Amino acid sequence: QVQLVGSGGGVVQPGRSLRLSCAASGFIFNEYAMHWVRQAPGKGLEWVAVSSYDGSHEFYAASVKGRFTISRDNSRNTVSLQMNSLRGDDTALYFCARDLAAVGFIDFWGQGTLVTVSS
Amino acid sequence: DIQMTQSPSSLSASVGDTVTITCRASQDIGNHLVWFQQKPGRPPKSLISRASTKQSGVPLNFSGSGSGTHFTLSISSLQPEDSAVYYCQQYKSYPFTFGPGTKVEIK
Repeated sequence: QVQLVGSGGGVVQPGRSLRLSCAASGFIFNEYAMHWVRQAPGKGLEWVAVSSYDGSHEFYAASVKGRFTISRDNSRNTVSLQMNSLRGDDTALYFCARDLAAVGFIDFWGQGTLVTVSS
Repeated sequence: DIQMTQSPSSLSASVGDTVTITCRASQDIGNHLVWFQQKPGRPPKSLISRASTKQSGVPLNFSGSGSGTHFTLSISSLQPEDSAVYYCQQYKSYPFTFGPGTKVEIK
């Protein structure tokens, strides 16, 4: 079955860095774009970033552009999110999600990994 | 960026009722709209894509309609398990943007 398992979350001080990873299984990974979407505690969903199916294109939300970098390894079926210069408003549950490249919408989400930015 | 709004922000209805959630886009997105359902402590679940196409396994009482800037999600014959927050999201262009969500409660 399709699985997206996130890891790497934790508590980090403001200004520091953290790297999230998402391991995919149960589908042909290199046919899907991969997204990160976050949800602050008790709040709505905020799209963060996307990597195209082959990693050749990336797009970011304005709130993270220049601080976060999405990358993927199609040989290992993983997608990562490098988060630098973290701020308190980056505190959220981070979901990875897949998007069948031919149709462009998110059709499956992982469970999420929690990032807390606090001194 | 394309802004998405939803109304109402919350609603309470009885089992068996029909409820309708409205989603509006700040510009024409064609039918590039998806509806998600999120229950507490769970990741979102894709319900409807292309504004009106149900994902596999989605119950018959869910339906979506609309195009351009005005969209609706209808839930007929409301069931207790339909209690959740519902989000619309445009995928016409990056950055993808979500509506603020509509919380559906069962009386």
